[in-house]
Amino acid sequence: GESVGLHLPTLSVQEGDNSIINCAYSNSASDYFIWYKQESGKGPQFIIDIRSNMDKRQGQRVTVLLNKTVKHLSLQIAATQPGDSAVYFCAENIRASKLTFGTGTRLQVTL
Amino acid sequence: DAGVTQSPTHLIKTRGQQVTLRCSPKSGHDTVSWYQQALGQGPQFIFQYYEEEERQRGNFPDRFSGHQFPNYSSELNVNALLLGDSALYLCASSLWGGQWNYGYTFGSGTRLTVV
Repeated sequence: GESVGLHLPTLSVQEGDNSIINCAYSNSASDYFIWYKQESGKGPQFIIDIRSNMDKRQGQRVTVLLNKTVKHLSLQIAATQPGDSAVYFCAENIRASKLTFGTGTRLQVTL
Repeated sequence: DAGVTQSPTHLIKTRGQQVTLRCSPKSGHDTVSWYQQALGQGPQFIFQYYEEEERQRGNFPDRFSGHQFPNYSSELNVNALLLGDSALYLCASSLWGGQWNYGYTFGSGTRLTVV
């Protein structure tokens, strides 16, 4: 069935380094992808999105890369800060239907 | 600009009871989706409402039902509560553009504990 998975459950990076969080999806029909950040006790917070007709999109300190050939999505965070510590989810969307989430990657930023 | 507002923030119920959770969407949004998030897991889709009708439904039993009001706000009802229903319930609003849902925005959720 449809699924969105993540390669690493926990990622530890030093403050100031760049972070890369990866996500694999299985449904080639997915046409919209979103990265969310979720802090403890809070709802998911939108970070950046990308549609399937693009392969790269940049925001402030974040970049999302989409490789449809291998069904892979990544989130790059530049100059990671302590405030970036959270659980990150990728979510896929097919023809404006429901969002399907993976289990998440915990990003830990060390000083 | 108020985002998505959910109430209550926390709730404790006894097995077998019924619960109603409420959601006010972000201003300008017309679609409301509900998700269940168990501890340590990603959110799971329950259902979506648009124009006061259930448009999509996930793999949840009929004990889970909902409603959308003319002002786009929504309620999630769960009957005959089970211990396994303990979770964070998230509401997300968006704007239906005819082909895409724009601007998915989540609320902070309602933490439901069933004892």
